[in-house]
Amino acid sequence: EPEVTQTPSHQVTQMGQEVILRCVPISNHLYFYWYRQILGQKVEFLVSFYNNEISEKSEIFDDQFSVERPDGSNFTLKIRSTKLEDSAMYFCASSEVGGGSEKLFFGSGTQLSVL
Amino acid sequence: GDSVTQMEGPVTLSEEAFLTINCTYTATGYPSLFWYVQYPGEGLQLLLKATKADDKGSNKGFEATYRKETTSFHLEKGSVQVSDSAVYFCALGQAGTALIFGKGTTLSVSS
Repeated sequence: EPEVTQTPSHQVTQMGQEVILRCVPISNHLYFYWYRQILGQKVEFLVSFYNNEISEKSEIFDDQFSVERPDGSNFTLKIRSTKLEDSAMYFCASSEVGGGSEKLFFGSGTQLSVL
Repeated sequence: GDSVTQMEGPVTLSEEAFLTINCTYTATGYPSLFWYVQYPGEGLQLLLKATKADDKGSNKGFEATYRKETTSFHLEKGSVQVSDSAVYFCALGQAGTALIFGKGTTLSVSS
């Protein structure tokens, strides 16, 4: 089965530094997502992306966050100035269609640790 | 807003035991309901889904029935295996909005 690939698997950074988390969605998918899970808490939605623009974002996705699809294959999440509370597992996902009943394909995640 | 609540874990079972992981939801409209599973070191994978009331989703021996009257979507399996050890996430989806997940329930099965 095709896979969503995320790199790196672990990222350690100092507070205030910028980080870029990278994802390669499945090639024929059109909808892209970022979720995160702080240890012991729910998997939280951050942002969805379709047709080269953000289609939905949560309250978590403030001005410190941005997403980009710089070429035909990569989908990145940038955190401009990391905070301690940004420490979490970040999951990228993609789907072929949107609509609420679609199957999402997830990557294995990037564990971000902010020190 | 919409939300999903699932039972706290961890759940620890012996092989061949019966499994139930409870999930209830709050939603306006008519959501689709999902169970995703995350095996160690991997991403979340769709296990099963149901798109309308009274639908039963099933896969790999797991089942869940969409119960509108009790707003529930409990996951069951008659006989668990060691290989079922994973984290299980209940989720809710509505048209035009992103999937909403529960906290996840860790299942540990011993032989």
